[in-house]
Amino acid sequence: GAGVSQSPSNKVTEKGKDVELRCDPISGHTALYWYRQSLGQGLEFLIYFQGNSAPDKSGLPSDRFSAERTGGSVSTLTIQRTQQEDSAVYLCASSRGQGGAGELFFGEGSRLTVL
Amino acid sequence: KNEVEQSPQNLTAQEGEFITINCSYSVGISALHWLQQHPGGGIVSLFMLSSGKKKHGRLIATINIQEKHSSLHITASHPRDSAVYICAVAYSGGGADGLTFGKGTHLIIQP
Repeated sequence: GAGVSQSPSNKVTEKGKDVELRCDPISGHTALYWYRQSLGQGLEFLIYFQGNSAPDKSGLPSDRFSAERTGGSVSTLTIQRTQQEDSAVYLCASSRGQGGAGELFFGEGSRLTVL
Repeated sequence: KNEVEQSPQNLTAQEGEFITINCSYSVGISALHWLQQHPGGGIVSLFMLSSGKKKHGRLIATINIQEKHSSLHITASHPRDSAVYICAVAYSGGGADGLTFGKGTHLIIQP
């Protein structure tokens, strides 16, 4: 695709349910980042993939959060037993470079609302 | 941990004014990014730089590696420049967490 694609664009779920968010990066981009942005807040780093591996998962807020990337392309972010504080826009970005040394391309985000 | 400080946090200016947004960081970096986010919109990369100066249209970004400081300038500002401008840095060590973000500068350009 021409840009970073995220789905769903909007997700409303009930507290306690699991959700899965998907990111399809630009073809050939080895670096993939997940961030979240709560209402009125700045960007919060979640996880960074270089290829299929995630050097550091310490940005994930709790063990309810997990992410994987297969084939060096599509990534999924899974939130188990969602809580109201998980409500945010989840953003994905990709780049050619590694460690932040490449132009970033952001998706439009997945807006998650936990009731 | 590398901290990224942006100033000002909020800025309101009149159309046509020259705008400067500042970003300071605390340790060596391999790259610095300037990003733009319009209200309710997505995030767009404006610049990525590791030294010197870059220009694109009315936007200019500079970085001083010795002083660990970068500035984003907007010349002949226009209401459509109203957005949040975010500075992000990548550690020299190729940090495992990719990028560290500043909290953003909320810019409003009044007609």
